[in-house]
Amino acid sequence: DAGVTQSPTHLIKTRGQQVTLRCSPISGHKSVSWYQQVLGQGPQFIFQYYEKEERGRGNFPDRFSARQFPNYSSELNVNALLLGDSALYLCASSLGEGRSGNQPQHFGDGTRLSIL
Amino acid sequence: AQKITQTQPGMFVQEKEAVTLDCTYDTSDQSYGLFWYKQPSSGEMIFLIYQGSYDEQNATEGRYSLNFQKARKSANLVISASQLGDSAMYFCAMRALNFNKFYFGSGTKLNVKP
Repeated sequence: DAGVTQSPTHLIKTRGQQVTLRCSPISGHKSVSWYQQVLGQGPQFIFQYYEKEERGRGNFPDRFSARQFPNYSSELNVNALLLGDSALYLCASSLGEGRSGNQPQHFGDGTRLSIL
Repeated sequence: AQKITQTQPGMFVQEKEAVTLDCTYDTSDQSYGLFWYKQPSSGEMIFLIYQGSYDEQNATEGRYSLNFQKARKSANLVISASQLGDSAMYFCAMRALNFNKFYFGSGTKLNVKP
């Protein structure tokens, strides 16, 4: 079975532009989460979506938004890009919402976003 | 608020020896899950092991085991018989069961020497 797939793998943008990152979860997984990983740091939680509804949000500005589609794939949008948005953006999927606790998140290979 | 602390930025271990990677956490929640992930230089995050806050026994998965000390709020990862392929970043993470957020530590870079 295919794992979590993300596109594109690499992206170069300039300050002020907008970007859309895409994620397809593992088949059967209904929850998708997004993370930002700056070089040398651990991933920082941005959003979680479950059944097309936002179920969690991290401490990121409103320039960051996301949505989940009926097929459970997801998009992360970032507007008015800043130099500090340069990072690896990871998407992770899990079976359920996660309230049972023991469901690991399975990660994609990420999209490396560079802002010039 | 939840917080994960990994105090070892880098570790070296000789091939075939065991190594312990430290992780402490802070939470006021009674129900939570603790996870360890491996991130090779290629970037993908690989799930290794899970420990629930109510699990009475320490989790084990092959060469990985989790030394869970609830009173001390620690969840150290033990890798036995280290292999060269174990060289990677290792992240400890926590999920409070009533919140849809995963919290990651800053990671430990493990280097296995031949």
